[in-house]
Amino acid sequence: AQSVTQLDSQVPVFEEAPVELRCNYSSSVSVYLFWYVQYPNQGLQLLLKYLSGSTLVKGINGFEAEFNKSQTSFHLRKPSVHISDTAEYFCAVSGANTGFQKLVFGTGTRLLVSP
Amino acid sequence: IAGITQAPTSQILAAGRRMTLRCTQDMRHNAMYWYRQDLGLGLRLIHYSNTAGTTGKGEVPDGYSVSRANTDDFPLTLASAVPSQTSVYFCASSNSRTDTQYFGPGTRLTVL
Repeated sequence: AQSVTQLDSQVPVFEEAPVELRCNYSSSVSVYLFWYVQYPNQGLQLLLKYLSGSTLVKGINGFEAEFNKSQTSFHLRKPSVHISDTAEYFCAVSGANTGFQKLVFGTGTRLLVSP
Repeated sequence: IAGITQAPTSQILAAGRRMTLRCTQDMRHNAMYWYRQDLGLGLRLIHYSNTAGTTGKGEVPDGYSVSRANTDDFPLTLASAVPSQTSVYFCASSNSRTDTQYFGPGTRLTVL
């Protein structure tokens, strides 16, 4: 079984500052890793995913994440945030050995960008 | 392309009543999922379906049932609603284990 820990429930940051949202996972098998974003009163949208290959993954809206197998982490970063990035961000993991995509989500990190 | 639609958008329900949340996708995805989202708990998988005609239990299946009669529809039924089922429910679909899951807009359910 897999599990995901997002240690920060809320991250306040000023506009144009860099941000890192932390995600650690636990799994006894190889994993696929995902970051989803949820804007207020909407469903989730995929930001980026790591399946294999390069450990640095680039996603939409200028976000990127780095897979670190030794530290079992998949932290999300953006060098300069905008007000419009205010949203809830979810890290998710799926075992690479399952026959379908059984996502396990973290509890989410609320990113609050202020002027 | 509409993607995934869910109905109703929101509902207030008396405890003990039966309720079916509807989910329809037009992307011809094989797999469909139902999640509930609760504050501080993130999203938890209720039931899933790999393909039409098959369903499986997720992390929190008790009190819920699903069916998958065809590719497009995946209704979630609460046979006898209880207040602990107050939540926001999201339906999602994907085509493979590496594919993006696409989410519907959600149904906000309140059980009194």
